Amino acid sequence: AQSVAQPEDQVNVAEGNPLTVKCTYSVSGNPYLFWYVQYPNRGLQFLLKYITGDNLVKGSYGFEAEFNKSQTSFHLKKPSALVSDSALYFCAVSLYSGNTPLVFGKGTRLSVIA
Amino acid sequence: GAGVSQSPSNKVTEKGKDVELRCDPISGHTALYWYRQSLGQGLEFLIYFQGNSAPDKSGLPSDRFSAERTGGSVSTLTIQRTQQEDSAVYLCASSPRNERNEQYFGPGTRLTVT
Repeated sequence: AQSVAQPEDQVNVAEGNPLTVKCTYSVSGNPYLFWYVQYPNRGLQFLLKYITGDNLVKGSYGFEAEFNKSQTSFHLKKPSALVSDSALYFCAVSLYSGNTPLVFGKGTRLSVIA
Repeated sequence: GAGVSQSPSNKVTEKGKDVELRCDPISGHTALYWYRQSLGQGLEFLIYFQGNSAPDKSGLPSDRFSAERTGGSVSTLTIQRTQQEDSAVYLCASSPRNERNEQYFGPGTRLTVT
């Protein structure tokens, strides 16, 4: 079975500092990994994904994530946080490419403090 | 273009009543998903439709839950004899038929069972 762990319920970071939101996964085959963001009272928005290729994936709003197969991790990063990045972040995994349901982590709330 | 829309945005119902939640996917998207977001539980997959194929119902928590998709477009999620534990935000997502599996989410329906 597939699973995703986001070990931190909450991450606080000062504006301008780098941020990291952690994600580890467990799948029986090659993973397809995703990050989504949820702003207050809005639906989830796609940020980035890893399917294959370069381990460093760049996405929307200056975010990037690094796929690490040996550590089964897919941490989300941004070099300089903005107050507007404050939101709920979800990591997700699927076992297949193409249309298939995603398995989500429980989410990490990011607060960027001015 | 128009995104995924869901109605109603909020629904309060009494325990034991039936409710219907509606999802209008992005035009042309062949895949449609229902997820449930409960406090502290992340997103939980409920059901998935792909074109005219039989839906994947493996995530439905009980036989009180059902969903249909008419004409390959609009979907309705029905919960019969609602219970307090059904209180959650119900999210719908759609995606086009491709290998990228980028799911586009609606704003959700917040269901409160009193």
